[in-house]
Amino acid sequence: SQELEQSPQSLIVQEGKNLTINCTSSKTLYGLYWYKQKYGEGLIFLMMLQKGGEEKSHEKITAKLDEKKQQSSLHITASQPSHAGIYLCGAGWTQGAQKLVFGQGTRLTINP
Amino acid sequence: GAVVSQHPSWVICKSGTSVKIECRSLDFQATTMFWYRQFPKQSLMLMATSNEGSKATYEQGVEKDKFLINHASLTLSTLTVTSAHPEDSSFYICSAREGQNTGELFFGEGSRLTVL
Repeated sequence: SQELEQSPQSLIVQEGKNLTINCTSSKTLYGLYWYKQKYGEGLIFLMMLQKGGEEKSHEKITAKLDEKKQQSSLHITASQPSHAGIYLCGAGWTQGAQKLVFGQGTRLTINP
Repeated sequence: GAVVSQHPSWVICKSGTSVKIECRSLDFQATTMFWYRQFPKQSLMLMATSNEGSKATYEQGVEKDKFLINHASLTLSTLTVTSAHPEDSSFYICSAREGQNTGELFFGEGSRLTVL
């Protein structure tokens, strides 16, 4: 079974619309990372969340970690073509854990 | 910000040959680096943890004799795919953390291996 579940697996939205991607853990997280990847390329770091209830924003992207530290959401406001790509959440479950386990990824397509 | 670089970015080789992929931390020292594998349209799968000056720690199901990892310095880890076969064709990505247990985890650009 997947320890980290992302939903949806793919998403197609009209340019300018808002969207949300979810990442759910089967157990309490120590740290949750969001990355963006374009097919065949490396990962671009977006945000890291560690505290329950934490919320971070960068430009039009906001990520939240729930109080129980088992679920995170990534929200994009007024989507643009540049937001298209694969979004991956990665998690560590223990303090000091350096390696991450990743969700399946969400493939985002933005239609003009 | 910290950068992790991989080389080569893509490589094509014949079946039975060995291929080496390098992962370098360009402006920081990384005692630990991580190697991931990604199949088309799938997520990243952790293969092994590369430890500077000691043996790598492999994840369950990953053949250590097939995927040789060497972390000879604080800025370089190498992954060698030995006697490569077509099923080894994949996208390999390394990562490294600046500092100790907290902080951003940086990823390389990835290396696409195609075995003919």
